[in-house]
Amino acid sequence: AQTVTQSQPEMSVQEAETVTLSCTYDTSESDYYLFWYKQPPSRQMILVIRQEAYKQQNATENRFSVNFQKAAKSFSLKISDSQLGDAAMYFCAYRSGSSNTGKLIFGQGTTLQVKP
Amino acid sequence: DTEVTQTPKHLVMGMTNKKSLKCEQHMGHRAMYWYKQKAKKPPELMFVYSYEKLSINESVPSRFSPECPNSSLLNLHLHALQPEDSALYLCASSHPGQGKSKTQYFGPGTRLLVL
Repeated sequence: AQTVTQSQPEMSVQEAETVTLSCTYDTSESDYYLFWYKQPPSRQMILVIRQEAYKQQNATENRFSVNFQKAAKSFSLKISDSQLGDAAMYFCAYRSGSSNTGKLIFGQGTTLQVKP
Repeated sequence: DTEVTQTPKHLVMGMTNKKSLKCEQHMGHRAMYWYKQKAKKPPELMFVYSYEKLSINESVPSRFSPECPNSSLLNLHLHALQPEDSALYLCASSHPGQGKSKTQYFGPGTRLLVL
């Protein structure tokens, strides 16, 4: 069975600085997708970024980028130029490429505090 | 447009009440999901509908009854709930099948309190 681990329950960063959230996963599959979701205090779960396992290039979305290390089964999220609006709970998630149901496996989440 | 809407935003019900949660999407997605989320925890999958048919039931108690009347709507009927069922209920949708287009998009959730 696949598992996702986020080892940092809480992180903090100074506004305008850079922070990296860690995520590791365990799978025997070669085809899968990885996601980072953000859930601000308003509770809407928002997709931040996604990565296809078959792509070697790390995904980027504006200030958000990932460091995808397939061999190490690591998928960290880097937030550059942190803003107050980045404060939220961040979930790393895994989806099997062969799944027909789209079931997501979530990590336990990391709460990010942004200090002004 | 990646919008999933949910109503109501908040719901308070007694243990003998019957209520329903509603979820709607107009993205042409044919897979829809119900999740339950407790505070500071990840969402827990409850049900998955694919092409309007129930494809996953994660051993959810029968007091939760899902319904997918058409490809855009997903309901969750609630009856005789327990206080421990109080949580945020999230709906999500995606394209079924394989590929990155199966990214799940979430609604804002319904905050449920069972008294």
